[in-house]
Amino acid sequence: GQNIDQPTEMTATEGAIVQINCTYQTSGFNGLFWYQQHAGEAPTFLSYNVLDGLEEKGRFSSFLSRSKGYSYLLLKELQMKDSASYLCAVLDSNYQLIWGAGTKLIIKP
Amino acid sequence: GAVVSQHPSRVICKSGTSVKIECRSLDFQATTMFWYRQFPKKSLMLMATSNEGSKATYEQGVEKDKFLINHASLTLSTLTVTSAHPEDSSFYICSARETSDREQFFGPGTRLTVL
Repeated sequence: GQNIDQPTEMTATEGAIVQINCTYQTSGFNGLFWYQQHAGEAPTFLSYNVLDGLEEKGRFSSFLSRSKGYSYLLLKELQMKDSASYLCAVLDSNYQLIWGAGTKLIIKP
Repeated sequence: GAVVSQHPSRVICKSGTSVKIECRSLDFQATTMFWYRQFPKKSLMLMATSNEGSKATYEQGVEKDKFLINHASLTLSTLTVTSAHPEDSSFYICSARETSDREQFFGPGTRLTVL
């Protein structure tokens, strides 16, 4: 079966760095997405990785290792507004998005 | 970035009535649109995938006669919840993509409350 695993909840301090991991087992792979979702709102796109390596975009970076079925989202200089759920999703061989359950990130002052 | 609108943003209705939710891609042509529902503190659950001009593909366990999906144009898809019941109360989110290798852009969601 297809499976995406990510931690349920993480807590970090304002100004610090946090890494949210995602491991996946899917039928085929056409890329991995990270989305941010604030409570009561729809997800917003953060990043897309299809090749191995690190993609940096401002305070957010995303890493992919296809051989290990592993990705992480790195958030630097955390701000209170970063408190949200972070969803990992993999595009499988049928170009269907397989979603993880999301990681709720709590930022403390 | 690409913009997807969804209307209405919030609807409250009586049990037994039907509710239509519209999803529009505003600045691109969406060959595929997706409908999700999300319960509180749960992840997104894909309900169906629709390609313009063809019948929607429903996920297992989703009743196609209850959740009617129409994707009549490259910029508009509608979801109609027929004979809504309190258990249908949820957050319904649509998304759209231009081609298969591009990210999905999400609408703002519709919160449905059935009394």
